[in-house]
Amino acid sequence: GAVVSQHPSWVICKSGTSVKIECRSLDFQATTMFWYRQFPKQSLMLMATSNEGSKATYEQGVEKDKFLINHASLTLSTLTVTSAHPEDSSFYICSAKRGGTYEQYFGPGTRLTVT
Amino acid sequence: AQSVAQPEDQVNVAEGNPLTVKCTYSVSGNPYLFWYVQYPNRGLQFLLKYITGDNLVKGSYGFEAEFNKSQTSFHLKKPSALVSDSALYFCAVSESYGNNRLAFGKGNQVVVIP
Repeated sequence: GAVVSQHPSWVICKSGTSVKIECRSLDFQATTMFWYRQFPKQSLMLMATSNEGSKATYEQGVEKDKFLINHASLTLSTLTVTSAHPEDSSFYICSAKRGGTYEQYFGPGTRLTVT
Repeated sequence: AQSVAQPEDQVNVAEGNPLTVKCTYSVSGNPYLFWYVQYPNRGLQFLLKYITGDNLVKGSYGFEAEFNKSQTSFHLKKPSALVSDSALYFCAVSESYGNNRLAFGKGNQVVVIP
């Protein structure tokens, strides 16, 4: 149990376009989902925390208008990178947590390349 | 705010030898501690956690970790390393309230030499 999927697994887009990444908890209800960004050979940086049905809480330095997060249901959260630029190229990883528990279950990640 | 230190960039160990990956943490309240492993171009896989109770925690794939409150450490150990254990290992901590936001260490690359 506790499987989290992400779609797509990789995406290439042109500069100035927007791209949406989906994060789904497949076999449990996730009251909280997290979005991370990981640069090559570096740690995960938390971008935002989203609770189902409410607005996401963004970490300091993360542009909320650029990285739109929607947590519309207990099994789905989406991250939309708007007006993408090459510096947005990164590995984006989501995680999901059941209510009342402590561990986060991570998706396989999405590799975004902006050309 | 919580933070984690993983002092070594890379840990090299011969296959069959004991493996230790070090982690120290800083948190204002009671810590919740986690170890995750990441293989290339993959997400993180949960190995084990410490929430409360016994200081020695056993996890997946033969790994264990010991919580030491006085030294604020949570080192990951495996008695006999396998080549397949070669991966990136992350220690993480969250505080015992709120949304349990995780702070990750920088990660340790473990290389098990055949």
